[in-house]
Amino acid sequence: GEDVEQSLFLSVREGDSSVINCTYTDSSSTYLYWYKQEPGAGLQLLTYIFSNMDMKQDQRLTVLLNKKDKHLSLRIADTQTGDSAIYFCAESRDTGRRALTFGSGTRLQVQP
Amino acid sequence: ETGVTQTPRHLVMGMTNKKSLKCEQHLGHNAMYWYKQSAKKPLELMFVYNFKEQTENNSVPSRFSPECPNSSHLFLHLHTLQPEDSALYLCASSQESQGNEKLFFGSGTQLSVL
Repeated sequence: GEDVEQSLFLSVREGDSSVINCTYTDSSSTYLYWYKQEPGAGLQLLTYIFSNMDMKQDQRLTVLLNKKDKHLSLRIADTQTGDSAIYFCAESRDTGRRALTFGSGTRLQVQP
Repeated sequence: ETGVTQTPRHLVMGMTNKKSLKCEQHLGHNAMYWYKQSAKKPLELMFVYNFKEQTENNSVPSRFSPECPNSSHLFLHLHTLQPEDSALYLCASSQESQGNEKLFFGSGTQLSVL
């Protein structure tokens, strides 16, 4: 399977919470990231978490990390139509290699 | 604005053409990257440059030729491409800090090969 896996699509209603999930395979991951891509644009860094943390909160965004299960999630509170985009999970590894490994992305559709 | 600028935004080329993609970063970073984004596939890392030196070539066909004249500029030279090379090509830069490699991306070049 892929190194970083995500479900392809999520639909929520405006005002609800969205939870986007990601699983990864490499236990040497040091940092994990969430990126957002809007139509016609590149990837924008939303937030990241160090691998020895369980949770990180940043305004409407909450990142949860279960290192034992190699599971990462991004919760968006009070989802707005402007949150409609593709969300990518990515990891960096403690190998000296300078690059991130990305998942396929989850398309979030917010219904008004 | 992310501080990473890519040109052109769109490019249509025939299989016999030669073209180049350009990327410039204004962030003072020391690493630059080319990624390929195809529909419903993970981002594919193509090349990594660390302090102008190529440190990774991810089994990319030789019809893609990168060039990094300095830490702020990165090019991708294209020749005799195939229709399956049509994709969004993304440039990124980063400055590693204590193992944290935050990549900043440009808006990409949408390439169509006819």
